[in-house]
Amino acid sequence: AQKVTQAQTEISVVEKEDVTLDCVYETRDTTYYLFWYKQPPSGELVFLIRRNSFDEQNEISGRYSWNFQKSTSSFNFTITASQVVDSAVYFCALSRGNYGQNFVFGPGTRLSVLP
Amino acid sequence: DGGITQSPKYLFRKEGQNVTLSCEQNLNHDAMYWYRQDPGQGLRLIYYSQIVNDFQKGDIAEGYSVSREKKESFPLTVTSAQKNPTAFYLCASSPRGGGGKTQYFGPGTRLLVL
Repeated sequence: AQKVTQAQTEISVVEKEDVTLDCVYETRDTTYYLFWYKQPPSGELVFLIRRNSFDEQNEISGRYSWNFQKSTSSFNFTITASQVVDSAVYFCALSRGNYGQNFVFGPGTRLSVLP
Repeated sequence: DGGITQSPKYLFRKEGQNVTLSCEQNLNHDAMYWYRQDPGQGLRLIYYSQIVNDFQKGDIAEGYSVSREKKESFPLTVTSAQKNPTAFYLCASSPRGGGGKTQYFGPGTRLLVL
């Protein structure tokens, strides 16, 4: 069975602090995909990143970076120099590689960035 | 502008009433999905469709029905059999063709029971 765990229910930081959101996944598949989405107060999920199981290279996009480690089944997300606009719920999701496109979502982490 | 639209933004249901949530996309995606989100929880899959005139049940399909008569549209009906329909409903779409395709989401519909 597939499962995604986001152990941090809520995190509060002060603006300009760095913050890391944890994501741990379980799957027996050798081919799979991991995603991060942002859900601002408006409710719409915004796609942030997609990573396949064969690509463990870390990725940086502006203030965002992702650390994928197959050895620990983790796909953590770091925001550097956080801003108030980063306040949202962040979801990690897992998709099977060869058997359709269904996602398994984690429960989400609510990030509050205080001015 | 390509995207996914959902209407209405808020919907109120009376006891015993069926209500239909609209989802339209102009991204030319083959696959479409409906998710339910309860407060403080992640998303759970209700139904999905990989192609026109075909759809499959997700994890929590009981009390819901869908149709897929057009590529662009995937309406969800919440029937009177759904005893706890109050939730936030999100529609998504993706290209078809194997796993791992990114799903893109609409703005959601919040359903409340009167």
